[in-house]
Amino acid sequence: AQTVTQSQPEMSVQEAETVTLSCTYDTSESDYYLFWYKQPPSRQMILVIRQEAYKQQNATENRFSVNFQKAAKSFSLKISDSQLGDAAMYFCAYRPNNDMRFGAGTRLTVKP
Amino acid sequence: GAGVSQSPSNKVTEKGKDVELRCDPISGHTALYWYRQSLGQGLEFLIYFQGNSAPDKSGLPSDRFSAERTGGSVSTLTIQRTQQEDSAVYLCASTPRRGKDGYTFGSGTRLTVV
Repeated sequence: AQTVTQSQPEMSVQEAETVTLSCTYDTSESDYYLFWYKQPPSRQMILVIRQEAYKQQNATENRFSVNFQKAAKSFSLKISDSQLGDAAMYFCAYRPNNDMRFGAGTRLTVKP
Repeated sequence: GAGVSQSPSNKVTEKGKDVELRCDPISGHTALYWYRQSLGQGLEFLIYFQGNSAPDKSGLPSDRFSAERTGGSVSTLTIQRTQQEDSAVYLCASTPRRGKDGYTFGSGTRLTVV
């Protein structure tokens, strides 16, 4: 079975500080993609960052970066210099081929 | 269109009634997905369409749920004899092709069964 686990239902960070959201996944595939999506109260799912499993270099998008540990099947998201607008649900997702499997999400609160 | 469009945005229906939810994907996207998101939960895969291939219906929770995609574009998710447990946000997403691209999501339809 291929599952995605987000062990932190809720996280909180002070504005301007750094926070790391955890994600682990289970797979027997060697080639796949991993994603982090942000879902604000508007319900719109927004792609934050993408990682290709065959690339060792961790993906980075401005204040967002990942720590991809393929052997450990771990894919954490680091948000630096947190902003109030970062408050949302964050979903980790795994895609080997056709469909994408999502974790249960982590609700991030940003304190001013 | 510029993005994935879903309608209606919100739907309230009485228990036992049928509902239809519509998804208009990005033009040229051959793959289309439906997910269900219950309150405070993650996304549950429902069904996947790829071009003219037979859809992957493995995620549909019961035979009250069905979906079709006409002309490889617009898709309709139908829920017959709605139950209160069907209350959720139904999200549609599309991608350009089979493969490793991220999805582009619509804003979803919030279904409330009373």
